Amino acid sequence: DVKVTQSSRYLVKRTGEKVFLECVQDMDHENMFWYRQDPGLGLRLIYFSYDVKMKEKGDIPEGYSVSREKKERFSLILESASTNQTSMYLCATTYPPSGTNYGYTFGSGTRLTVV
Amino acid sequence: GDSVTQMEGPVTLSEEAFLTINCTYTATGYPSLFWYVQYPGEGLQLLLKATKADDKGSNKGFEATYRKETTSFHLEKGSVQVSDSAVYFCALSFSGGYQKVTFGIGTKLQVIP
Repeated sequence: DVKVTQSSRYLVKRTGEKVFLECVQDMDHENMFWYRQDPGLGLRLIYFSYDVKMKEKGDIPEGYSVSREKKERFSLILESASTNQTSMYLCATTYPPSGTNYGYTFGSGTRLTVV
Repeated sequence: GDSVTQMEGPVTLSEEAFLTINCTYTATGYPSLFWYVQYPGEGLQLLLKATKADDKGSNKGFEATYRKETTSFHLEKGSVQVSDSAVYFCALSFSGGYQKVTFGIGTKLQVIP
């Protein structure tokens, strides 16, 4: 089974700090995604990556950036954390584009609180 | 753009009751449809999927049928258990390309003994 590991389950950071959320997958998946999950809003796509050093903005990229230096690792960066970025962050991966759609494999999530 | 509509809930049922969670979608073309489940404190897990019209996805006693004519993918289970308490997300994506997934808002299910 594919495993997607997010480095922290819970994080508390101060306003203005630079925050790194890490996601590592143990398969050769090209596509990796970062979502945030908020009550009443569901999951919203922040950024995704389809290859090393390649990235695309999702629906809510403002205040975030990403890094993918190696295929297995996709990092989400909060340049200057703000309280409105308090949320659950979910990383997901999927198989390469093909005729079959396998859906996502998710990590366990990182619950970030910015104080 | 593409969208998925489902009720937020919570839906509260007694153990062994019949479950239906409605899901409808709007999309250009014919997407693959999914149900994901999120247990408390965890990430999402794929529950079932259907990739074309009239396909039925099933897993762990849950079922959903891809209805193109009504653009729906309702989730059903004949007899729920307390362990089914979770948040259920309906979702769609298109094969090929980046396979980005569009999610519904999630429906919280609470099953009481």
